[in-house]
Amino acid sequence: EPEVTQTPSHQVTQMGQEVILRCVPISNHLYFYWYRQILGQKVEFLVSFYNNEISEKSEIFDDQFSVERPDGSNFTLKIRSTKLEDSAMYFCASSVAQGHYGYTFGSGTRLTVV
Amino acid sequence: DAKTTQPPSMDCAEGRAANLPCNHSTISGNEYVYWYRQIHSQGPQYIIHGLKNNETNEMASLIITEDRKSSTLILPHATLRDTAVYYCIVRDTGANSKLTFGKGITLSVRP
Repeated sequence: EPEVTQTPSHQVTQMGQEVILRCVPISNHLYFYWYRQILGQKVEFLVSFYNNEISEKSEIFDDQFSVERPDGSNFTLKIRSTKLEDSAMYFCASSVAQGHYGYTFGSGTRLTVV
Repeated sequence: DAKTTQPPSMDCAEGRAANLPCNHSTISGNEYVYWYRQIHSQGPQYIIHGLKNNETNEMASLIITEDRKSSTLILPHATLRDTAVYYCIVRDTGANSKLTFGKGITLSVRP
């Protein structure tokens, strides 16, 4: 079964450093998403991306965050200057088309900011 | 905020059916009901979705009441591997509309 692949599985970074979280969505999927989950809390939407632009973003997704699809396969989330409160699991997801389809989520990257 | 209400937890015996309830009394006509689950801290896994008809796939069945104000996810023969947090989510028909997760219901399957 096709998978969404996320790397690295765990990243530790110092406060103020930039991090890039990487995702390889399923190859024929066109819609891409980032969600995050702070330990013990709900899964929260960050951003959706289609046709090389952001479709929707949440209040969490401020100027410190950016997304990019640098080539035909990767989808990245960059945090420019990490804060302690950015520590969370970050999940990438993709879906095949618009309308009502289930997303496929990756297994996540655990980001720890120290 | 999530538009659904779920009990915080339930358990069932291995091999028995698990019936997970969800209330969505403010659902509107163009909103679907989705179910996802999350095992440990893994990524959420899509289970099933529906609008008003009952739906079945290889994982589960979804029963939606006629007034669409509530639904039940049925796992027909629960296994220990079905222990997870199950999320009932209402999502509108916007092309790219996000999923809004609530706290979900923790299902514990006992041997």
